[in-house]
Amino acid sequence: SQTIHQWPATLVQPVGSPLSLECTVEGTSNPNLYWYRQAAGRGLQLLFYSVGIGQISSEVPQNLSASRPQDRQFILSSKKLLLSDSGFYLCAWSVQQNTGELFFGEGSRLTVL
Amino acid sequence: AQSVAQPEDQVNVAEGNPLTVKCTYSVSGNPYLFWYVQYPNRGLQFLLKYITGDNLVKGSYGFEAEFNKSQTSFHLKKPSALVSDSALYFCAVRAWAGKSTFGDGTTLTVKP
Repeated sequence: SQTIHQWPATLVQPVGSPLSLECTVEGTSNPNLYWYRQAAGRGLQLLFYSVGIGQISSEVPQNLSASRPQDRQFILSSKKLLLSDSGFYLCAWSVQQNTGELFFGEGSRLTVL
Repeated sequence: AQSVAQPEDQVNVAEGNPLTVKCTYSVSGNPYLFWYVQYPNRGLQFLLKYITGDNLVKGSYGFEAEFNKSQTSFHLKKPSALVSDSALYFCAVRAWAGKSTFGDGTTLTVKP
């Protein structure tokens, strides 16, 4: 069966510090991978998605970047965090077809102070 | 462009009563529609989806959804609500490039 792991679950970082959130998927190959941000427990904003190794599409201009160094690994990074980067970050994967549902990790709650 | 609207921020029902969580969508081409549920501080869980075929789709935990093309709606339903159904529910549409667009979510509260 397929599983998705996302870590760390919680982190508190000072403004200006770097960030690295990691996500790995097991039990499948060549998945689509996504990073979403959820603000205040409501709607999801798509940040990045990837259809293959090294292929990253950014949805919104921001202080964040993403990388996919391996087929089932997706990393969200920042060189210098802003207060506005605080939120709940969710990694997800799906099969390549558009009919596939998303499978989400358990999320990473980031607080920037 | 694709979009999803969930017109109700909050839905309250009594345990044992039927529940409906509303969703309307806008998309070019064939819509692929999804419902997800989120419990506090957790990731989203897939409930059900409409791809093609029967307009009434059955999913996990006794939930079902009705696709209505003329009204561009995909409402989530359950005949008898449970207190444990209380959660945040998201409707999503996926039409192209593998990207899903989510509604803002509806908080369902089921009271005993």
